[in-house]
Amino acid sequence: AQSVTQLGSHVSVSEGALVLLRCNYSSSVPPYLFWYVQYPNQGLQLLLKYTSAATLVKGINGFEAEFKKSETSFHLTKPSAHMSDAAEYFCAVSDNTGTASKLTFGTGTRLQVTL
Amino acid sequence: GAVVSQHPSWVICKSGTSVKIECRSLDFQATTMFWYRQFPKQSLMLMATSNEGSKATYEQGVEKDKFLINHASLTLSTLTVTSAHPEDSSFYICSAARVSGYTFGSGTRLTVV
Repeated sequence: AQSVTQLGSHVSVSEGALVLLRCNYSSSVPPYLFWYVQYPNQGLQLLLKYTSAATLVKGINGFEAEFKKSETSFHLTKPSAHMSDAAEYFCAVSDNTGTASKLTFGTGTRLQVTL
Repeated sequence: GAVVSQHPSWVICKSGTSVKIECRSLDFQATTMFWYRQFPKQSLMLMATSNEGSKATYEQGVEKDKFLINHASLTLSTLTVTSAHPEDSSFYICSAARVSGYTFGSGTRLTVV
């Protein structure tokens, strides 16, 4: 079974400050890991994904995440927060066994960006 | 890029009626689609996996007779909430699987009154 744990259901940062959203995973097989963003009453948009290539993954909107096997972590970062980054962020894991692989989501982290 | 269209975006229905939600992959074929349910301020819970031309696979605890899923073509999967009750009110999201990843619909807000 696979799972992800997102530490901190709510994170607040000032505009221009570093964003760090934490995600730890558990998987019995090499995982595929994802970060998604969700704006109110909308679906999910892929920020980035790790698929066993480079451990540092760069995504859209200036976000990046680093896969650390020794720490079973896949934390999401952005050097400088923007007001438009305020949203819900979900970490997810799949077992990469094909297109029928299920995604298991974390409980989400709401990012608040203040002036 | 890959686009998944989900309709309607919101619907209000009376208790006891049925509601159908459509999920279409617009520019690619999706052999597999997933249906999720999301309660306010919570994560997405997988309800079922929909495979084109075969019966859907439901997650434990999901009533297959209440949440009917049909995946009759490679571009369309539907979720029908039958005999809806207020506790079925939720945000429903579909996702289509491709080799390159997953594309999500924009979600459907269902309110049963």
